[in-house]
Amino acid sequence: KAGVTQTPRYLIKTRGQQVTLSCSPISGHRSVSWYQQTPGQGLQFLFEYFSETQRNKGNFPGRFSGRQFSNSRSEMNVSTLELGDSALYLCASSPGQGLQPQHFGDGTRLSIL
Amino acid sequence: QKEVEQDPGPLSVPEGAIVSLNCTYSNSAFQYFMWYRQYSRKGPELLMYTYSSGNKEDGRFTAQVDKSSKYISLFIRDSQPSDSATYLCAPYQGGSEKLVFGKGTKLTVNP
Repeated sequence: KAGVTQTPRYLIKTRGQQVTLSCSPISGHRSVSWYQQTPGQGLQFLFEYFSETQRNKGNFPGRFSGRQFSNSRSEMNVSTLELGDSALYLCASSPGQGLQPQHFGDGTRLSIL
Repeated sequence: QKEVEQDPGPLSVPEGAIVSLNCTYSNSAFQYFMWYRQYSRKGPELLMYTYSSGNKEDGRFTAQVDKSSKYISLFIRDSQPSDSATYLCAPYQGGSEKLVFGKGTKLTVNP
């Protein structure tokens, strides 16, 4: 069974630009969560989608947004990029009902110049 | 107070040592307690999880939860160089897909 796939693996942007990251969950998984990982703050929850609806949202500014498509694939968008947005962005999927372990992709490394 | 506190280390031990990794948490509503392992340049992978207080063993790994003191531990017996990774604790509140992670402890097992 294929794991969670995130594209691209690496991305370099400049301040003020916007970026879109993509996540393909494990087949059959309907929940997709996004996390930001930095050395200073560790792993922080951004948001979670289930059946195209946002169910949970972390404490991030509105520049961070996401969506989920009918095939459960998800995209995350960050607008007006700031230097502090440099991080590893991780996507995790799970079946979405009840306690199910989240399976993570290997992330997109975003660097802001 | 942060929801989850974890000593970031780094922790360096010789092969065969017993390793103890620990977290504390503040939210009494947490019911499940997960441990993830993250190798360099990879995403976290679930190692094991426990429900409520008590111990759970899986091979060389033992997870322990003391809800009265809000303390979580992961023990690794007979540690191997392949155990070198960052270990993240993640308490979980039932009914939510949101995981709250500790910052992770970086472990190096030297041959």
